[in-house]
Amino acid sequence: DIQLTQSPSFLSASVGDRVTITCRASQGISGHLAWYQQKPGKAPKLLIYGTSTLQSGVPSGFSGSGSGTDFTLTISSLQPEDFATYYCLQFKSYPLTSGGGTKVEIE
Amino acid sequence: EVQLVESGGGLVQPGGSLRLSCVTSGFIFSYYYMGWVRQAPGKGLEWVANIKADGGETFYVDSVRGRFTISRDNAKNTLYLQMNSLRAEDTALYYCVRYVRGNNYYFDNWGQGTVATVSS
Repeated sequence: DIQLTQSPSFLSASVGDRVTITCRASQGISGHLAWYQQKPGKAPKLLIYGTSTLQSGVPSGFSGSGSGTDFTLTISSLQPEDFATYYCLQFKSYPLTSGGGTKVEIE
Repeated sequence: EVQLVESGGGLVQPGGSLRLSCVTSGFIFSYYYMGWVRQAPGKGLEWVANIKADGGETFYVDSVRGRFTISRDNAKNTLYLQMNSLRAEDTALYYCVRYVRGNNYYFDNWGQGTVATVSS
């Protein structure tokens, strides 16, 4: 099974900050990585797929990068609506697996 | 607009069964793989199962294989998850997801979920 290690698990930041979340896979996943945002009581929302493709309707302040086993989600300027929990998921092989999540809170 | 609406959750005793349903609309259901993802209270996301567009192949996480069965009725645009021999650790919010497979693979749409609670 492919393990995804997401870090940090928690981060405190201010509006306007640049935020970076990393996701490391236990083996290469050929870029088949997506990022999701989840707010309390809501279903996850797709932000980025295929490592770096922004889902339609997602603000351009979100970006993804990476290759091989190391991937990054960047929020260029944190907005009030961005405070949420973020998950990476790999779609390279079954079982599909998720990182443990990163909770972004207001500093 | 794509809609995925789950139902069928509830409280069941250990060893019992539940059948979850996901009624879909707004897209050609028979064209897409579908799946289920669950989230235990206060925990992260765990993929449970996927099914091919024609229902001809299914995939499961090891912890549910042999106990859960994913199926679909393309005439009714509906996805199912039959859950048998339920355990306390199956307690979770279960999301129905649409699985896009092309140049990239990802879950692009999620339902709001239905809660299954396994407890005596």
